[in-house]
Amino acid sequence: ETGVTQSPTHLIKTRGQQVTLRCSSQSGHNTVSWYQQALGQGPQFIFQYYREEENGRGNFPPRFSGLQFPNYSSELNVNALELDDSALYLCASSRDRAVEQYFGPGTRLTVT
Amino acid sequence: AQSVTQPDIHITVSEGASLELRCNYSYGATPYLFWYVQSPGQGLQLLLKYFSGDTLVQGIKGFEAEFKRSQSSFNLRKPSVHWSDAAEYFCAVGERGNKLVFGAGTILRVKS
Repeated sequence: ETGVTQSPTHLIKTRGQQVTLRCSSQSGHNTVSWYQQALGQGPQFIFQYYREEENGRGNFPPRFSGLQFPNYSSELNVNALELDDSALYLCASSRDRAVEQYFGPGTRLTVT
Repeated sequence: AQSVTQPDIHITVSEGASLELRCNYSYGATPYLFWYVQSPGQGLQLLLKYFSGDTLVQGIKGFEAEFKRSQSSFNLRKPSVHWSDAAEYFCAVGERGNKLVFGAGTILRVKS
């Protein structure tokens, strides 16, 4: 069984730029959730995708957007990057929106 | 709104000693509860979960947790800590079709 994978591992961007992060869900999972983990904090829910539709969103501005593809992989896009967007971005997958979620290794984004 | 409190930011225990990490939650109904572990720079690994039934649940790596509804607690325990257990531990509450809400985490240090 293949686990959740994310790319890239690390990324450095400049304030104002745009970034796309990618996630492949675990085999058999059709739900992907994204979380932001700032340094020294617990993960914060960004949004969830189920069968290619957004299925819930946390308290994040519209410049955070996402997609889910027919193979259930997902992208997180962030426009107009701000310094506070520097964080570890975690993707988690589950089966049929189950609350038991399995996490990938994360993408470390640094905004300078 | 759901919330999770982990009162201890850091805990240091000697190798071979017992461990208890505290978690208190706020949730209206019977919660789904989780403990995850995160090694430095890594994603989250699921240690154990509670959905219903027996209030003492066993997880991986020799960890267990006890759900106490009267105290709104879900404390994580291990009888004998190993140096490899040094990591950050997160308690989370969630519901089907929705997000996971995490505590701020407890950093465990193991001294030899």
